[in-house]
Amino acid sequence: QKEVEQDPGPLSVPEGAIVSLNCTYSNSAFQYFMWYRQYSRKGPELLMYTYSSGNKEDGRFTAQVDKSSKYISLFIRDSQPSDSATYLCAMISQGAQKLVFGQGTRLTINP
Amino acid sequence: EAGVVQSPRYKIIEKKQPVAFWCNPISGHNTLYWYLQNLGQGPELLIRYENEEAVDDSQLPKDRFSAERLKGVDSTLKIQPAELGDSAVYLCASSTGTGTQDTQYFGPGTRLTVL
Repeated sequence: QKEVEQDPGPLSVPEGAIVSLNCTYSNSAFQYFMWYRQYSRKGPELLMYTYSSGNKEDGRFTAQVDKSSKYISLFIRDSQPSDSATYLCAMISQGAQKLVFGQGTRLTINP
Repeated sequence: EAGVVQSPRYKIIEKKQPVAFWCNPISGHNTLYWYLQNLGQGPELLIRYENEEAVDDSQLPKDRFSAERLKGVDSTLKIQPAELGDSAVYLCASSTGTGTQDTQYFGPGTRLTVL
């Protein structure tokens, strides 16, 4: 079993829809949770960063962490065609330097 | 400010040939990472450098892969000999190295195809 599980999709939604992306994990030592966005033929770029449980909002993006359920989510409001990309969750333990990534979810926003 | 630079962007070789990838991290970043990303998968760490020292190479297949980071700046990842299963994207990332909360900045990757 992988440490981090993420539905690979693909996920296709109309422009303006609310998108929900999710990951589950098994390692309770994970303390820092990230979402990376990766456009085709590009490297991943950090989108959201959350420490421990709770919510974090940045514009149209909201990241949620539920450590009791070992479940994290990324919500995208008013989705735009430019949001079409692969979204990777990643997490790391306190004091560690090794990021553990999910498989990535390929998202397409249709105009 | 320039981001992480990688070259070449694409490489096609025949199996059993050697290949090398080059990475120039963001200026001032002490920590450098090499990741492997297979199609439809997330990146997996191959090796992490703190300055010149390889501090985590547990996932590097040492029979055919090698890496170096001379002078603690640029880095080279080599495969010799390449196998068909090595076809993937090789990503380089860098961070300041000041702690767990460091943001890792990724380069565009080198897409390797082994025929």
